[in-house]
Amino acid sequence: AQKVTQAQTEISVVEKEDVTLDCVYETRDTTYYLFWYKQPPSGELVFLIRRNSFDEQNEISGRYSWNFQKSTSSFNFTITASQVVDSAVYFCALSEAVGYQKVTFGTGTKLQVIP
Amino acid sequence: SAVISQKPSRDICQRGTSLTIQCQVDSQVTMMFWYRQQPGQSLTLIATANQGSEATYESGFVIDKFPISRPNLTFSTLTVSNMSPEDSSIYLCSVELIFRDSMNTEAFFGQGTRLTVV
Repeated sequence: AQKVTQAQTEISVVEKEDVTLDCVYETRDTTYYLFWYKQPPSGELVFLIRRNSFDEQNEISGRYSWNFQKSTSSFNFTITASQVVDSAVYFCALSEAVGYQKVTFGTGTKLQVIP
Repeated sequence: SAVISQKPSRDICQRGTSLTIQCQVDSQVTMMFWYRQQPGQSLTLIATANQGSEATYESGFVIDKFPISRPNLTFSTLTVSNMSPEDSSIYLCSVELIFRDSMNTEAFFGQGTRLTVV
């Protein structure tokens, strides 16, 4: 069975601070995908990143960066110099890489960036 | 990428009625997925819909309550039947897209249908 744990329920930071959202996962698969999605107050799910389990390179995209540590089954997400527009619920997710892409979501971390 | 359109985007419905949610994709896809997100909760998979076969339901979800149609490779509907206030949620459809040049896959989501049952 697959499981995704986001221990941080809510985080508040002041604008321009850096913030890291934690994600720990469990799977028996040797090949899998990890995702981060952003859900702003409007409700739609916005894709941020997908990482293959064989690719442990960290990734940076603008103010966003992701740290994938297979040894600790973690896929943490850092926002640098946070902005008010970053306020949203962020979901970490895991999917099988074989067969259909059923996605298992974490419970989400609500990030509030205070101006 | 894939563009997914869901209708309606939101609705307020009376207890005991049914609502059908439509999901249209701009690409042909093999599998479509329906998720439910209850208020303040994460997303839970309801069922997987293949074209030409009956949907496969996850534990806790049954066809009588959430009938699904998948008439072709670009369209699906989810019906929430005999609604109660507990069905108030965001319902999202999702597709798996395979990029044939790289054989990578990615999950795309519709914008969701926000349902309130009164």
